[in-house]
Amino acid sequence: AQTVTQSQPEMSVQEAETVTLSCTYDTSESDYYLFWYKQPPSRQMILVIRQEAYKQQNATENRFSVNFQKAAKSFSLKISDSQLGDAAMYFCAYKGSARQLTFGSGTQLTVLP
Amino acid sequence: DTGVSQDPRHKITKRGQNVTFRCDPISEHNRLYWYRQTLGQGPEFLTYFQNEAQLEKSRLLSDRFSAERPKGSFSTLEIQRTEQGDSAMYLCASSLWTSKGNQPQHFGDGTRLSIL
Repeated sequence: AQTVTQSQPEMSVQEAETVTLSCTYDTSESDYYLFWYKQPPSRQMILVIRQEAYKQQNATENRFSVNFQKAAKSFSLKISDSQLGDAAMYFCAYKGSARQLTFGSGTQLTVLP
Repeated sequence: DTGVSQDPRHKITKRGQNVTFRCDPISEHNRLYWYRQTLGQGPEFLTYFQNEAQLEKSRLLSDRFSAERPKGSFSTLEIQRTEQGDSAMYLCASSLWTSKGNQPQHFGDGTRLSIL
């Protein structure tokens, strides 16, 4: 079974600074997708960025980028120029041959003004 | 784009009662998923539908839980004889699958269930 591990329960960053959230996963599959979702307090989960395992190029969405290391099974999220609105719980998720997502336990990000 | 809609947002009930939640997916999405999220944890998969067919169920889905998706549109999740351990956020997500592949899942706001 696939597992997703987020080893940082909480992180904080100063507004306008850069922060990196870590995620590792375990799988025997070669073809899969990885995602970062953001869940603000009492609000719905929103897709931030996704990466297809067969693509070597790291995905980028505006201020959000990933560092995908397939051999190391690592998938970190970098948030540049952090904004107050980035404060949320961030979940790393895996999707392989199964239809459902497997989530990590989340990282609570606080943005300090 | 109206997004995924879930009803109710909150449900408080006494132990032993039955509860039913509803999910309305994004209209063109043919896949619908139910997840359960407990405090401080990531969502855990419960079950998923492709159109009206329930194709997979997690071991978490005990026989007290039942889900339906009549006509492949909205879905309901019913919990019978609720227990304290059922207290959680129940999330619904939907996605579009075509022969070209599966698009990302979009989530609703969830239904928070509290068992007294």
